[in-house]
Amino acid sequence: EVQLLESGGGLVQPGGSLRLSCAASGFTFSSYAMSWVRQAPGKGLERVSAISGSGGITYYADSVKGRFTISRDNSKNTLDLQMNSLRAEDTAVYYCAKRSGDGSSYYFDSWGQGTLLTVSS
Amino acid sequence: SYELTQPPSVSVSPGQTASITCSGDKLGDKYACWYQQKPGQSPVLVIYQNNKRPSGIPERFSGSNSGNAATLTISGTQAMDEADYYCQAWDSSTVVFGGGTKLTVL
Repeated sequence: EVQLLESGGGLVQPGGSLRLSCAASGFTFSSYAMSWVRQAPGKGLERVSAISGSGGITYYADSVKGRFTISRDNSKNTLDLQMNSLRAEDTAVYYCAKRSGDGSSYYFDSWGQGTLLTVSS
Repeated sequence: SYELTQPPSVSVSPGQTASITCSGDKLGDKYACWYQQKPGQSPVLVIYQNNKRPSGIPERFSGSNSGNAATLTISGTQAMDEADYYCQAWDSSTVVFGGGTKLTVL
């Protein structure tokens, strides 16, 4: 059974930093690209960052580019998101999601339970 | 940038068929998938590659995609199907989510 367990959320002041982690199990972690998808309170879903299975290719949404860094440790089956220069608009539940599919038919077939980041003074 | 548009809300009576649309330019040329999200819970994939159901998803969930719209259909809707539903597609190697539709079963 695939399990994704996020941790690291909390309350941070504007301009601060935080690191989210996702522990994965139940699948061959290194074979799958992973993403961080966030959901602001009462809003929809937004993919903020992604990383290939090997870790060699990364993606960032324009809204977080230059502030967030995604990384993975395939030896420990963990996915991280380092978030710097945090803003109020980064407040959201952050989900770790496993990507499946191929070519143009990618989809997220497993999601973690989410971790809440609140950016406020 | 590519956009997917969903109606904010859809209502259906128990036992009836619910249809939720997702519109996008030439969406039929892409693959669409759908997620169900109940309050306080994580999204769950219910349809992928336009019309495939993951293991464990009831047969009453089906999908189609052609032209400029994808549709999620729930036949014999049950109270437990009340949730937010999001469509998703890929465009130029970028994930695009629809804004979500709140399905009310009443």
